[in-house]
Amino acid sequence: EAQVTQNPRYLITVTGKKLTVTCSQNMNHEYMSWYRQDPGLGLRQIYYSMNVEVTDKGDVPEGYKVSRKEKRNFPLILESPSPNQTSLYFCASSRGNNEQFFGPGTRLTVL
Amino acid sequence: EDQVTQSPEALRLQEGESSSLNCSYTVSGLRGLFWYRQDPGKGPEFLFTLYSAGEEKEKERLKATLTKKESFLHITAPKPEDSATYLCAVQDNYGQNFVFGPGTRLSVLP
Repeated sequence: EAQVTQNPRYLITVTGKKLTVTCSQNMNHEYMSWYRQDPGLGLRQIYYSMNVEVTDKGDVPEGYKVSRKEKRNFPLILESPSPNQTSLYFCASSRGNNEQFFGPGTRLTVL
Repeated sequence: EDQVTQSPEALRLQEGESSSLNCSYTVSGLRGLFWYRQDPGKGPEFLFTLYSAGEEKEKERLKATLTKKESFLHITAPKPEDSATYLCAVQDNYGQNFVFGPGTRLSVLP
């Protein structure tokens, strides 16, 4: 089954404790992206990757890092999480940079 | 800076009562406009891509249209299972990043 998977689905952590949210897709898509979704603000793009070893900032990259060492994986790293990074996070992938397939989401709470 | 607004913020319809959702956008050069559906607790699900003014696409009770400044998602004779949040997104001619609108939350009552 074609899908985008994210782990963990739910995470509660404390300020400053480094964490990684994994994202994997099995569709051989070149393009992958991370978004955060907040009430009233909609989906905002954090980082995207056009292909392996190619990443670029979206609209809200501060406080986040990404890497794309393999085509199927695109982890999101929060080196020192803060409460304002409490949000619902989505990973997405697409062939080229067309319509995107989204993962199920990761709900992160930073205390 | 690319911007997307959607109206109304929320819409309640009776089953069978047709209506339209609006997506207004500002973009330096439009490569594509995308419509997604999002159910509570789930990731967005792709519906349509529109590329040029005048283009229309249909899927079951949904029809999307595009002008140079806005897009409409027309819902004909909706059913309760059409209840969801509908998201609009634009991609500029650089074709690398996407900008989403805040969404319209649709409720269809039986």
